[in-house]
Amino acid sequence: DAGITQSPRHKVTETGTPVTLRCHQTENHRYMYWYRQDPGHGLRLIHYSYGVKDTDKGEVSDGYSVSRSKTEDFLLTLESATSSQTSVYFCAISDGQGANTGELFFGEGSRLTVL
Amino acid sequence: GNSVTQMEGPVTLSEEAFLTINCTYTATGYPSLFWYVQYPGEGLQLLLKATKADDKGSNKGFEATYRKETTSFHLEKGSVQVSDSAVYFCALRSGGSYIPTFGRGTSLIVHP
Repeated sequence: DAGITQSPRHKVTETGTPVTLRCHQTENHRYMYWYRQDPGHGLRLIHYSYGVKDTDKGEVSDGYSVSRSKTEDFLLTLESATSSQTSVYFCAISDGQGANTGELFFGEGSRLTVL
Repeated sequence: GNSVTQMEGPVTLSEEAFLTINCTYTATGYPSLFWYVQYPGEGLQLLLKATKADDKGSNKGFEATYRKETTSFHLEKGSVQVSDSAVYFCALRSGGSYIPTFGRGTSLIVHP
């Protein structure tokens, strides 16, 4: 199994508070991704990173920011959480080998509830 | 742009029934195609993949054949088990992009 750890696994917070989710990998993979999963929407990409300090927006980036100061860590921050950000968040990694053919490895998810 | 369309679920079957989950795609260039599976409470994991036309991916009794002429990658299994109950995602990557395109997922429920 790929070494990906997400923390916290579960969090309940209140509207307007900041929240940071952490993704930690031990695979030294170059690419890291944050997705959210909601019923009826499948997986939606929030942000991704293609190297240390290199990040870019996905399709649902509003209200989220990310940082990657080390290869192994990719942080997702909700500056001021809203109820619409209640979701299950997944981190994924990819080694970038073989353009097109490489698979993504997913963490076990972080369930966030914003009251 | 790229897109993946999967049949909507849930798909409900009895144990030992034959499974087909349809997946069709639109892509630029020559994509690689993937099926991921998500068991309850877990993240997605790769089930199988195919990287060129007419390739057949297979794993755990599941199969899918890359059909370029019909732009399809349907997932099949001859005899499903209760333990196959999960959500299945079809996905593609093309054009050298490291951002895959996922379908919305199809939930499979297998009854004893």
